[in-house]
Amino acid sequence: EVQLVQSGAEVKKPGESLKISCKGSGYSFTGYWIGWVRQMPGKGLELMGIIYPGDSDTRYSPSFQGQVTISADKSITTAYLQWSSLKASDTAMFYCARVHGTRNWYFDLWGRGTLVTVSS
Amino acid sequence: EIVMTQSPATLSVSPGERATLSCRASQSVSSTLAWYQQTPGQAPRLLIYGASTRATGIPARFSGSGSGTEFTLTISSLQSEDFAVYYCQQYNNWPWTFGQGTKVEIK
Repeated sequence: EVQLVQSGAEVKKPGESLKISCKGSGYSFTGYWIGWVRQMPGKGLELMGIIYPGDSDTRYSPSFQGQVTISADKSITTAYLQWSSLKASDTAMFYCARVHGTRNWYFDLWGRGTLVTVSS
Repeated sequence: EIVMTQSPATLSVSPGERATLSCRASQSVSSTLAWYQQTPGQAPRLLIYGASTRATGIPARFSGSGSGTEFTLTISSLQSEDFAVYYCQQYNNWPWTFGQGTKVEIK
């Protein structure tokens, strides 16, 4: 089955670090870009950035550049989103999603999301 | 950055009726536009890409149209499972951007 399986919900304190994951299976993981999308409580979708696991080429949306790090380990078909110092405003649902293909930059496969709660 | 504006914010429709959702881009995105559906507690699901092509498994009651800066998603006869939030996304220019969503609710 073609799927993206995300890591479980996290509860963290401000200032803590965090790395969440997204494991792809059932398709050639290295051949598709993976994106990370934020959804703050009750709000819409925001693209944070994308990574090509084949060579780890990474692009960030300007709003998220320097705020998070996107990485991938192709040997275990997993992409990551990490924070070095969380803020309360990082509380959100985070989705990983597969980009359909070159020049067709829409998301055709989504993970179920990882809920991150940052609270003191 | 291209700004995507969806209207209306909320659309109240009775089951069986037609729903028409709009998405406007701040500059031309050609036909590089996708629509997604998100039901409560679920991840988004791809409905339409290339402005008018239905994704695999999407019922024919969903249709997309438009190009350039004006796009429309039409649901011809609303079913109970169609009450959800719908997002458009342009993928012509980086960063790819989403609209703020239209909530389709039961009238």
